[in-house]
Amino acid sequence: DSGVTQTPKHLITATGQRVTLRCSPRSGDLSVYWYQQSLDQGLQFLIQYYNGEERAKGNILERFSAQQFPDLHSELNLSSLELGDSALYFCASSAHMDQPQHFGDGTRLSIL
Amino acid sequence: GQQLNQSPQSMFIQEGEDVSMNCTSSSIFNTWLWYKQDPGEGPVLLIALYKAGELTSNGRLTAQFGITRKDSFLNISASIPSDVGIYFCAGRASTSGTASKLTFGTGTRLQVTL
Repeated sequence: DSGVTQTPKHLITATGQRVTLRCSPRSGDLSVYWYQQSLDQGLQFLIQYYNGEERAKGNILERFSAQQFPDLHSELNLSSLELGDSALYFCASSAHMDQPQHFGDGTRLSIL
Repeated sequence: GQQLNQSPQSMFIQEGEDVSMNCTSSSIFNTWLWYKQDPGEGPVLLIALYKAGELTSNGRLTAQFGITRKDSFLNISASIPSDVGIYFCAGRASTSGTASKLTFGTGTRLQVTL
């Protein structure tokens, strides 16, 4: 158990819908990262937050957004969903930005 | 997005054999990490490397940070059935801004036969 908690574990929805994925980092970790894992793309970095502030952005679509709250949990919002958004979405956390990242078990998003 | 070249892509080995896999990049990293992912779970950190030339072990696993800072290697000795899974390398260029993100390798799928 990495200590990173992601909910829900599975999510099935339709095109055009909006969903919110939630992540609780390990106790004491200030930095949260979101990754997307699809079959043909591997693990791709989306966005990073540190102590509530956005610190780095990867190839995150404009339809996607995230935030980190004062209690350090984070949410990833995906809107106007398309079939190609079907993937595993992982959250990772680290104590600080130079520390190794520990991953949650992911949310599997299926778009029908 | 960018991915690191990891090889081999997959391998079948017999229980008890040693395994080697590597990861190469076109750019320099100052941190290399190795993760293992089992089906339905997130990647689990195996080894972290912070200096060029560093050799670090974790049980039967040994990883090295390449001298050029553009590659890393993972060895598994005396493989056992629970070693089955996908192994990912990941590199980080720095700890500031976008460069603090991890760039992942394409993965090595390991299957162990009895």
